[in-house]
Amino acid sequence: LAKTTQPISMDSYEGQEVNITCSHNNIATNDYITWYQQFPSQGPRFIIQGYKTKVTNEVASLFIPADRKSSTLSLPRVSLSDTAVYYCLVGDGRRDDKIIFGKGTRLHILP
Amino acid sequence: DAGVIQSPRHEVTEMGQEVTLRCKPISGHDYLFWYRQTMMRGLELLIYFNNNVPIDDSGMPEDRFSAKMPNASFSTLKIQPSEPRDSAVYFCASTRRGLSSYNEQFFGPGTRLTVL
Repeated sequence: LAKTTQPISMDSYEGQEVNITCSHNNIATNDYITWYQQFPSQGPRFIIQGYKTKVTNEVASLFIPADRKSSTLSLPRVSLSDTAVYYCLVGDGRRDDKIIFGKGTRLHILP
Repeated sequence: DAGVIQSPRHEVTEMGQEVTLRCKPISGHDYLFWYRQTMMRGLELLIYFNNNVPIDDSGMPEDRFSAKMPNASFSTLKIQPSEPRDSAVYFCASTRRGLSSYNEQFFGPGTRLTVL
C-alpha cells in the first residue's frame, strides 16, 4: 500500500476555501485516491475518490496532477461544522483488502 | 439500511474484567473491519473478515484480544482481561468488494471503552 503524507493540522476561518494536500510518491498504476472525513465522536465517512485530474461532488473537490504523486482536497467556503479530521488514503479496491488510515489532518475552522 | 450498528456505545469497566463489543454490518457487505482509535496512535486496523472468515489479524495487539464472526450479520471483539491501556474508541466498519477500484468503508458510531 502506498504511503501518504499530509499535514498534521490546519486552521482556517469560516467562509474561506481550504486546501489539504497529500503526498503519495509511491502510488501504483491502479491505485485510487480516497479521502475520508471524521467528525468528533463519529466514525470516518467517505467524502470523495479520484484517479486523475479533477473530481467534484456536493461536499468537496479533489485535484490530482498528471504525475499523481500528490492530491489536493478542496473544501469551498468552509463553516464551523467542517471542523474534522481528514484522511488521505491510496489503494486499489480490487487488490487491497484493507485500508490503512494514518493520523490524518486535523482541520480547525475558526469563526 | 440502518448502517453499521455497534453496541454498547459506551463501556466502563474495571481492570481485569472481560469486555465484549458487538457489531452488525450492513446487509450484503462481505468485509468487516475492527479498528481502534486513540489520540496517540490514531486509527489502527485490528482485524478484518471476508465472508465471516478472519483474513488478517496482525493488528490485534496481544492474545487478550479476540474477534469472531459467527455469521454474516454479527461480529464480536472481546478483550480478556482488560487493562487501562485498552481504553480507546473501537470502530467496526463494513464494505462490499466489487470489481472496480472503488472501495468505500462504512463505519459504525464506535464504542468508547474506558478501563479503570
